[in-house]
Amino acid sequence: GQQVMQIPQYQHVQEGEDFTTYCNSSTTLSNIQWYKQRPGGHPVFLIQLVKSGEVKKQKRLTFQFGEAKKNSSLHITATQTTDVGTYFCAGPEKGNTPLVFGKGTRLSVIA
Amino acid sequence: SAVISQKPSRDICQRGTSLTIQCQVDSQVTMMFWYRQQPGQSLTLIATANQGSEATYESGFVIDKFPISRPNLTFSTLTVSNMSPEDSSIYLCSVERGQETQYFGPGTRLLVL
Repeated sequence: GQQVMQIPQYQHVQEGEDFTTYCNSSTTLSNIQWYKQRPGGHPVFLIQLVKSGEVKKQKRLTFQFGEAKKNSSLHITATQTTDVGTYFCAGPEKGNTPLVFGKGTRLSVIA
Repeated sequence: SAVISQKPSRDICQRGTSLTIQCQVDSQVTMMFWYRQQPGQSLTLIATANQGSEATYESGFVIDKFPISRPNLTFSTLTVSNMSPEDSSIYLCSVERGQETQYFGPGTRLLVL
């Protein structure tokens, strides 16, 4: 079945440093989604990418969808303590649901 | 946006007992989903609950262990039956927010002793 892998599993950064997490699917995705889960919280939808090669920005966050629609990345510029949490990518196999989630990247930001 | 509530928010249960988790949405939705998130892990879909039909269970999850009800378009329950410590997890319900993306409820944190 479809597998979604994320690296790194953990990342500790100094406040102000950049951060990137990578997501790779074993199959082509119809779309890729990113969610953020704060410690003790629940996953919250951040963004969805649909088109091959698509790039979207949300303030300091930049999301990319690969040309083959099998990989994606999330880059945070100049991290802040409010960025702390676990970032999950998720995607449905092409034409199918449900979502398959990656294992997530847990980001710690040291002030 | 959808507002989702879950009850209970957390519970501590004895092994061998059962717990029913409720999920209430403030608008009518076709599909509701139940996920499990074990400590420090990712989200694993247990089942999809459609109103008026049997829930669809993912591989590794069975109705006898996780019976689900979906009596109307705004409500669902998940029961964790005959619990063991391995069932200690966060249980999350979610609904589609459009284009296959999802809103998640606040979760139910379950500890089985």
